[in-house]
Amino acid sequence: DAKTTQPTSMDCAEGRAANLPCNHSTISGNEYVYWYRQIHSQGPQYIIHGLKNNETNEMASLIITEDRKSSTLILPHATLRDTAVYYCIERRRNSGAGSYQLTFGKGTKLSVIP
Amino acid sequence: EPEVTQTPSHQVTQMGQEVILRCVPISNHLYFYWYRQILGQKVEFLVSFYNNEISEKSEIFDDQFSVERPDGSNFTLKIRSTKLEDSAMYFCASTIDPGINQPQHFGDGTRLSIL
Repeated sequence: DAKTTQPTSMDCAEGRAANLPCNHSTISGNEYVYWYRQIHSQGPQYIIHGLKNNETNEMASLIITEDRKSSTLILPHATLRDTAVYYCIERRRNSGAGSYQLTFGKGTKLSVIP
Repeated sequence: EPEVTQTPSHQVTQMGQEVILRCVPISNHLYFYWYRQILGQKVEFLVSFYNNEISEKSEIFDDQFSVERPDGSNFTLKIRSTKLEDSAMYFCASTIDPGINQPQHFGDGTRLSIL
């Protein structure tokens, strides 16, 4: 089972920042936090990942608390095309070489409202 | 931007028949994965593949499933004798090297419908 917890759903007004929280209180020191999203009927799309420092790319920013027990994905100016399910995932290494499977939870359904 | 491509986008098959789902990973990627998502449920890991062998598989990936990289570009998932409960979206993913924290990139999936 996924080790992260996220709100089931959130709304955000178009043009405003969308802040999606995630709790990962059992994360260990060498595990990264990855964010993906899934727009209806499409494959999961990689957004961003981080270990302990805040990260920013062309899609989003990731703010990780100092104790690493939670993080927030920020979409700075949400558009209608950002409506999707957002997944926060602890990326674990398994016993097999080269595995690093992703364990998806139920995610947060973000609805961007005009 | 390079992407993972999957064919067909929709496959309809009679129960008990064999089905092969095809994926073309991003060209310089070395690690390959299959996931599935039953309608309305979570995305579930099936299998990972590296250096021409399975590196990890889930409980779902039983003897009815197999994977193969028949040439330098394709990565396939075969279901030998399909069941109704195999109906799902199947996603292929690839990455250069997860050991250096490169993310997995997913295709848009094959919708498998078993009748």
